[in-house]
Amino acid sequence: GAVVSQHPSWVICKSGTSVKIECRSLDFQATTMFWYRQFPKQSLMLMATSNEGSKATYEQGVEKDKFLINHASLTLSTLTVTSAHPEDSSFYICSARQAHQPQHFGDGTRLSIL
Amino acid sequence: DAKTTQPPSMDCAEGRAANLPCNHSTISGNEYVYWYRQIHSQGPQYIIHGLKNNETNEMASLIITEDRKSSTLILPHATLRDTAVYYCIVRDTGNQFYFGTGTSLTVIP
Repeated sequence: GAVVSQHPSWVICKSGTSVKIECRSLDFQATTMFWYRQFPKQSLMLMATSNEGSKATYEQGVEKDKFLINHASLTLSTLTVTSAHPEDSSFYICSARQAHQPQHFGDGTRLSIL
Repeated sequence: DAKTTQPPSMDCAEGRAANLPCNHSTISGNEYVYWYRQIHSQGPQYIIHGLKNNETNEMASLIITEDRKSSTLILPHATLRDTAVYYCIVRDTGNQFYFGTGTSLTVIP
């Protein structure tokens, strides 16, 4: 149980385009979902927390207009990287949890901007 | 910010127990200790969590000191597939996870 699916697993696109990443909880309803970014040989950095039906809460230093988060249902959250540039290339990971339960993570999306 | 400190790396012989320590001296009464591991290029995998009692599941055991300022994750019989970065995180039920740098465990044949 507690499976989180992330799609796509990797994407390559041109500079200036927007990229959408989906995160789904497959067998549970997630009251909260989280988005992280991880650069090579570094730890995970929390970007934002989203609760279903409300606006995401962004960590300090994360541009909310750059990284658009939508959490429209209890099983789906999306992260859109708008006008992506090479410095946005990274490993993006989502997680989801039910109330009072551990977070469960997706397998990540490797984003490469050319 | 991460509230835990872990050794950056450890080695363990295959088949032996791997004991991974974590210090969390500023933990508060309602904060749980969580352990996750991340195998290269994958998302973190939940291992175990606890509040103050020792816990055991099919993957590992978690030993929390009586003062709760430190804990140890025990993998009883390490295999090569246990090679990963192990993260110790403290958090209360309502708040976010902040990852520290973790311990890179290498299981040696």
